[in-house]
Amino acid sequence: DAGITQSPRHKVTETGTPVTLRCHQTENHRYMYWYRQDPGHGLRLIHYSYGVKDTDKGEVSDGYSVSRSKTEDFLLTLESATSSQTSVYFCAISEPDGSPLHFGNGTRLTVT
Amino acid sequence: DQQVKQNSPSLSVQEGRISILNCDYTNSMFDYFLWYKKYPAEGPTFLISISSIKDKNEDGRFTVFLNKSAKHLSLHIVPSQPGDSAVYFCAASARTSGTYKYIFGTGTRLKVLA
Repeated sequence: DAGITQSPRHKVTETGTPVTLRCHQTENHRYMYWYRQDPGHGLRLIHYSYGVKDTDKGEVSDGYSVSRSKTEDFLLTLESATSSQTSVYFCAISEPDGSPLHFGNGTRLTVT
Repeated sequence: DQQVKQNSPSLSVQEGRISILNCDYTNSMFDYFLWYKKYPAEGPTFLISISSIKDKNEDGRFTVFLNKSAKHLSLHIVPSQPGDSAVYFCAASARTSGTYKYIFGTGTRLKVLA
């Protein structure tokens, strides 16, 4: 898993509550990403970061915010969770040297 | 709009035969392509990549072919093994533009029959 830890691994929450997912890496990689995986949609990029405090939107960023205050941590926040955000969320890391993305094992989020 | 497409949601192949998984893309700025394999309850794992300066890359049983004019790439697995049964994703990025966003396709579920 290339030194990537996602927490929590599973979470059930209610509609309207805030949720924060954490990705922690020990590889000192510059780039970090949040994807969500849904049936029929594959992996869709939510947000990514290209350095501390440097982030940008992906394909499906509405309803999500991110923060990266340290190289090793990338947080994904759902300010007010909705049922459409029920999904499996994957964090990934990479370096801009031609190396591929490496993924964590995912967080399964259920919004009831 | 889907910039990276995998039009076959599933594929079944007999053990020992060739598996061919296909991927199409629309963005001509994409210059780096990757294939990932995913087992249930695990994160995707990297299989093989290809840069747009090449048209073929091989790694053991896995070969990726890139046809830039058709904006098409394919992954060949020879010979296929039951352990290859998984969901396969292709991904693309436009690295020379300084962007390291990776866009993924919707995946193809491969089942290798023993």
